[in-house]
Amino acid sequence: SQWGEENLQALSIQEGEDVTMNCSYKTYTTVVHWYRQDSGRGPALIILIRSNEREKRSGRLRATLDTSSQSSSLSITAAQCEDTAVYFCATDFPGYQNFYFGKGTSLTVIP
Amino acid sequence: DMKVTQMPRYLIKRMGENVLLECGQDMSHETMYWYRQDPGLGLQLIYISYDVDSNSEGDIPKGYRVSRKKREHFSLILDSAKTNQTSVYFCASSLWANSDYTFGSGTRLLVI
Repeated sequence: SQWGEENLQALSIQEGEDVTMNCSYKTYTTVVHWYRQDSGRGPALIILIRSNEREKRSGRLRATLDTSSQSSSLSITAAQCEDTAVYFCATDFPGYQNFYFGKGTSLTVIP
Repeated sequence: DMKVTQMPRYLIKRMGENVLLECGQDMSHETMYWYRQDPGLGLQLIYISYDVDSNSEGDIPKGYRVSRKKREHFSLILDSAKTNQTSVYFCASSLWANSDYTFGSGTRLLVI
C-alpha cells in the first residue's frame, strides 16, 4: 500500500514477552485501524485510534498515534501463543472513501 | 450473528473460464469491498460499492467486474480467468465508507 506500511515484516518472540509493531503513513489520516489476521481467516479489527488521540488501550493491546511523525504503533503486553497472527495497520486518506492497508507484520509467539 | 459470508471457500478454474465469487452480509452495511491478497503485496482493493448499483474501481480493477443488485449481496466476476488471478479474495463491508470493516473468511482461487 502506498499509504500505510509496517516497518518490520516478521517478528518471533517468546511467550510472555512484550512486542511492538510500527506503521508509518505518508499523508494525513483521521484514524488508524489495526487488524489481525489468523491463518485461513479474514482480517478482524482489534483496535482503532483517532487523530485526536495519542494512546488507546484495549486489554493487553496498546495503540499509539503520532500525527507529527505520521506513525502509529501497536503493542502487545505479555504475548501469548494465541497472539500469533499477521497484524495490519490501515489508514484513511482524505478524498478517498476507503482504507489503505499496510503489508502486515507476521508475529509468531513461541511457547 | 453479524457476519460477512463468502462462497465458495475454495475454487479451482481453468484459464479462460468465467468465475463468480459471491459475498453476503447481514448487517445492512452500505459499503462493500472486494480485495485480493497475495504474499508480499498485502490487501489490494479491486472494487468498492457504496450501495446498490453504485460501484467504483479500486486500485486493481483490470480483469474484474462487480455486481450489486441488493444491498446485502456483492459479486465479483472474472471473465475469462487468467493464471495471474490466482489469489485469495476477500470481501468486506462497512456501515458507511470509512467506518471499520468486517471481512469474510476469503475465497481461495486457483486458476490453472
